[in-house]
Amino acid sequence: DTAVSQTPKYLVTQMGNDKSIKCEQNLGHDTMYWYKQDSKKFLKIMFSYNNKELIINETVPNRFSPKSPDKAHLNLHINSLELGDSAVYFCASISFSGEEAFFGQGTRLTVV
Amino acid sequence: GESVGLHLPTLSVQEGDNSIINCAYSNSASDYFIWYKQESGKGPQFIIDIRSNMDKRQGQRVTVLLNKTVKHLSLQIAATQPGDSAVYFCADPRGTTSGTYKYIFGTGTRLKVLA
Repeated sequence: DTAVSQTPKYLVTQMGNDKSIKCEQNLGHDTMYWYKQDSKKFLKIMFSYNNKELIINETVPNRFSPKSPDKAHLNLHINSLELGDSAVYFCASISFSGEEAFFGQGTRLTVV
Repeated sequence: GESVGLHLPTLSVQEGDNSIINCAYSNSASDYFIWYKQESGKGPQFIIDIRSNMDKRQGQRVTVLLNKTVKHLSLQIAATQPGDSAVYFCADPRGTTSGTYKYIFGTGTRLKVLA
């Protein structure tokens, strides 16, 4: 069983479109994250939710809106996509002790 | 402050040799560090961790060294194998006022294993 799963794995879309990425974890963790990884592999935290509550919002444009329907799911909706949004987006959840982060396989978003 | 990646350093190592990957951190209050391995097309995976009350921790073929004086840690991989080819990150999980953690990742180093 995959611990943290994201869909889709690949997403190609045109500028100006709205798209969503879904994430689910079956580890029973309370805290989930979205990270953005650029072409130079730099991993930057975007959001963190703890038990459906937004905890961290790292100065991300408000075109990005995370939603957590329950603590096992954290989705990312992006409005009015721009070329600069092209990146790999990773979902992660952390253990109760905070000592290990489990990552999904990533969603490669390409905006054309 | 948080490190910002301007480029991805690459380390090329001959198969069978030892690899050493370095990471510098800036937060003196950091007391726990983790090394992650990211293979192509996958998410980062936990390799080994170390707490600030330790200088060294060993795993299977991997050793992490921590030098708090100069705020530096390293990951040593013994007898590097082709399967070790990946991007390696050090991470600093920082506690937040809300009781959760904010994982800050270093720039990353790409390890290429040469046959």
